[in-house]
Amino acid sequence: DTAVSQTPKYLVTQMGNDKSIKCEQNLGHDTMYWYKQDSKKFLKIMFSYNNKELIINETVPNRFSPKSPDKAHLNLHINSLELGDSAVYFCASSPLAGLANVTQYFGPGTRLLVL
Amino acid sequence: GDSVTQMEGPVTLSEEAFLTINCTYTATGYPSLFWYVQYPGEGLQLLLKATKADDKGSNKGFEATYRKETTSFHLEKGSVQVSDSAVYFCALSDRNAGKSTFGDGTTLTVKP
Repeated sequence: DTAVSQTPKYLVTQMGNDKSIKCEQNLGHDTMYWYKQDSKKFLKIMFSYNNKELIINETVPNRFSPKSPDKAHLNLHINSLELGDSAVYFCASSPLAGLANVTQYFGPGTRLLVL
Repeated sequence: GDSVTQMEGPVTLSEEAFLTINCTYTATGYPSLFWYVQYPGEGLQLLLKATKADDKGSNKGFEATYRKETTSFHLEKGSVQVSDSAVYFCALSDRNAGKSTFGDGTTLTVKP
């Protein structure tokens, strides 16, 4: 059973389009995250939700809007896609964020290419 | 704020060579320290972790010791294999910050 799953795995789209990436975890975790990994493999946190509530919102353009319908799902909607949005987007989950020794469990990634 | 500094890559080694990837950190509290590994085309997965000073994390022949005096958590393996080729991320988790902070990743290539 996949612990953290993302769809789609690959996404190729034109500039200006709107797209969504979905994430689901079946680990019973309270906290979920979105990360962006660029072509140099640098990993940057974008958002974090704890029990459907936004707790971390790093400096991300407001074209990116996360939505958590329940604590097992965290979707990412991107409006007006730009070339610079091309990257791999990872979803992750962990037990309660307030603990220091929590391990994060990552999904397989969504490879977004904006043309 | 918290930060993690990793040895810059890429690192290229021959099979059976000794590996060290340096990692140092700054944190306001008492963080837990992690190494994650990302194999080609996959997401990150936990390799090992240590939750307090002098703890040693180990897995798959890799080891790292939490050194509070030098604020370091260097990753070592005595004899690398081609299958160890991956990107390695050092990270810390700080209860005060409520999130994890990742280093920039170090790409390791092991040649037969």
